[in-house]
Amino acid sequence: GDSVTQMEGPVTLSEEAFLTINCTYTATGYPSLFWYVQYPGEGLQLLLKATKADDKGSNKGFEATYRKETTSFHLEKGSVQVSDSAVYFCALTTISGGYNKLIFGAGTRLAVHP
Amino acid sequence: DTEVTQTPKHLVMGMTNKKSLKCEQHMGHRAMYWYKQKAKKPPELMFVYSYEKLSINESVPSRFSPECPNSSLLNLHLHALQPEDSALYLCASSQSPATRSSYNEQFFGPGTRLTVL
Repeated sequence: GDSVTQMEGPVTLSEEAFLTINCTYTATGYPSLFWYVQYPGEGLQLLLKATKADDKGSNKGFEATYRKETTSFHLEKGSVQVSDSAVYFCALTTISGGYNKLIFGAGTRLAVHP
Repeated sequence: DTEVTQTPKHLVMGMTNKKSLKCEQHMGHRAMYWYKQKAKKPPELMFVYSYEKLSINESVPSRFSPECPNSSLLNLHLHALQPEDSALYLCASSQSPATRSSYNEQFFGPGTRLTVL
């Protein structure tokens, strides 16, 4: 079945460091891809999305490009801040039982220190 | 209004109690979802409602009983829960339940943190 694999955390960085969180997927058809972020004690917020190959999603300095040839959607940010500390989930949508379902990766915890 | 609201924010209940979680959205979305999230894990889908009808039940125990009274409101009734049911319960909505040609972004609420004693 469809699945998402993320790099294991935690990822610990100093402020202003470069961030990469790897995400690869397995899917039939042409899924849409998402990064969600979950700050401590909160629900999930959509960070960015891409709906077709070579699309680049971007938001708040974060970017990810839908790479069909490598089945990847890696999250990057050029300069992280302490406020970026959160858990990041890579996800795809798949059709199951006739309905769209979100398939999540395991999540990657990011800790940014001053 | 692009917000999904959930009440209460926190809930503590005993194993013999009956309680309900509430979720509301005013985006005109016709699909609504309940997820359960344990600590340090991704959300797990519990139920999907499509046009106010239960469409997917992911083999959830009957002590969880969903209800969709109208297109804006989704409830989760809880009865005789177990301590292992303690988790963050997330509600989400999307514009329509299923399309094959485009994505269907889900908007999440802040969740209800449930503790079962």
